[in-house]
Amino acid sequence: AQSVAQPEDQVNVAEGNPLTVKCTYSVSGNPYLFWYVQYPNRGLQFLLKYITGDNLVKGSYGFEAEFNKSQTSFHLKKPSALVSDSALYFCAVHNQAGTALIFGKGTTLSVSS
Amino acid sequence: DGGITQSPKYLFRKEGQNVTLSCEQNLNHDAMYWYRQDPGQGLRLIYYSQIVNDFQKGDIAEGYSVSREKKESFPLTVTSAQKNPTAFYLCASSMTSGQYNEQFFGPGTRLTVL
Repeated sequence: AQSVAQPEDQVNVAEGNPLTVKCTYSVSGNPYLFWYVQYPNRGLQFLLKYITGDNLVKGSYGFEAEFNKSQTSFHLKKPSALVSDSALYFCAVHNQAGTALIFGKGTTLSVSS
Repeated sequence: DGGITQSPKYLFRKEGQNVTLSCEQNLNHDAMYWYRQDPGQGLRLIYYSQIVNDFQKGDIAEGYSVSREKKESFPLTVTSAQKNPTAFYLCASSMTSGQYNEQFFGPGTRLTVL
């Protein structure tokens, strides 16, 4: 069965520092991986996805993610954090049938000024 | 939240009542989804629809019902059989169902049972 895990409930970084939000996956077959962000009381916004090809995927708002097959990871990164990046981040993978996304439990990112 | 609207934003229900949450999209997407979000649990799939007049149960369908009579609309009814309906409900759509496609989400409806 497909699954993703986000090992950290919360990540704290200072503004201007690089940030990493971790995600590991377990899939049968090829992984199709996604990152979303959620601001309080709002819907989810799509950031980026990995389907195939280059292991470094660039997305919205300066975010990127590194796909690592040997470590079964898909960590979200940003070189320089902004206070406005503070939000809840979800990693997700498609189920085998491709009919729905399976989400991790989310990681709260807090960026301090 | 581009192209997907959910109403109402907040909904209060008395125990024993059925309530219907609205979801409309103007993205011309074939597939639509309903998720439930509870604190610390991520999102869980309630129902999904790959095409008009067809829908399937997700992981937590008990106590919920849906219809898909029009491509742009996918309303969710929370019935009195749902034991713990207080949650944040998110509707999403994608171009088609399929592993390559990202989903686009509406702004959500927060349901509280009084």
